[in-house]
Amino acid sequence: AQSVAQPEDQVNVAEGNPLTVKCTYSVSGNPYLFWYVQYPNRGLQFLLKYITGDNLVKGSYGFEAEFNKSQTSFHLKKPSALVSDSALYFCAVRDIFGDIFGTGTRLQVFP
Amino acid sequence: GAVVSQHPSWVICKSGTSVKIECRSLDFQATTMFWYRQFPKQSLMLMATSNEGSKATYEQGVEKDKFLINHASLTLSTLTVTSAHPEDSSFYICSAREAGGTDTQYFGPGTRLTVL
Repeated sequence: AQSVAQPEDQVNVAEGNPLTVKCTYSVSGNPYLFWYVQYPNRGLQFLLKYITGDNLVKGSYGFEAEFNKSQTSFHLKKPSALVSDSALYFCAVRDIFGDIFGTGTRLQVFP
Repeated sequence: GAVVSQHPSWVICKSGTSVKIECRSLDFQATTMFWYRQFPKQSLMLMATSNEGSKATYEQGVEKDKFLINHASLTLSTLTVTSAHPEDSSFYICSAREAGGTDTQYFGPGTRLTVL
C-alpha cells in the first residue's frame, strides 16, 4: 500500500534561514508526489508536485522539493524562510483515486 | 486558478440530526471529487471518492450509510452526515480534480462540524 511519512510534528526556524520539511514515501512503481500547505483558518493549497523529469521541483511562494529515489524522500525546502511561511504542510502520494496524506508538519518561522 | 467552495463553512447541530455539506467547483468541471476528514492531530483521511453520475467509492472503515455522498453534476458534490453524533465532529474538506486536466487536486476551504 502507498504511504507517506512526515517524521517531524513541528519545525522551528528563524526568519531568513533555510528550511526543510521532511517527507518519505513508500510506493510500488513510480511515485506521484505532492506538497500542500494549509494556512490558519484557510483550506489546503497546492504547492508543488513531482510526476517525472527533473528531481528538483520548483513551486509556489519560493518553495522547492527534491525527489530522491534512493532515499525515497521528497523533502520540501526554501532557501530563506519568511514569517508568513508559518503554516501546516502536508506531503502526499497519489493513490489510484486520491492523495494519501502524511500527518502534517507545523512550520513555525520566528522573526 | 481553479476554485472550490464549500458550504457551510461551519455548522453546529444537535445529536441525531443530519447535516448536508456542499462542495462546488466554481470555474471548472470536476468529474472526480474527494471528501476528506481532518482529525485533531491534523492528519487528513480520505473518506470517499465520488465520480459524477455514479456511486461513490468509500474507503475502508467509512460507513456509506452514515456519510451519504452524491455527485449530481460536474460542479457539485454533497456529503450528508446522517444521524450525527458528537464523535462526528470534525473538519470536513472536499477537493476536486478537473475533467481532462492535470493531476492536481483543488481543495475547498473546509467545513467545521460540531455535533452537540
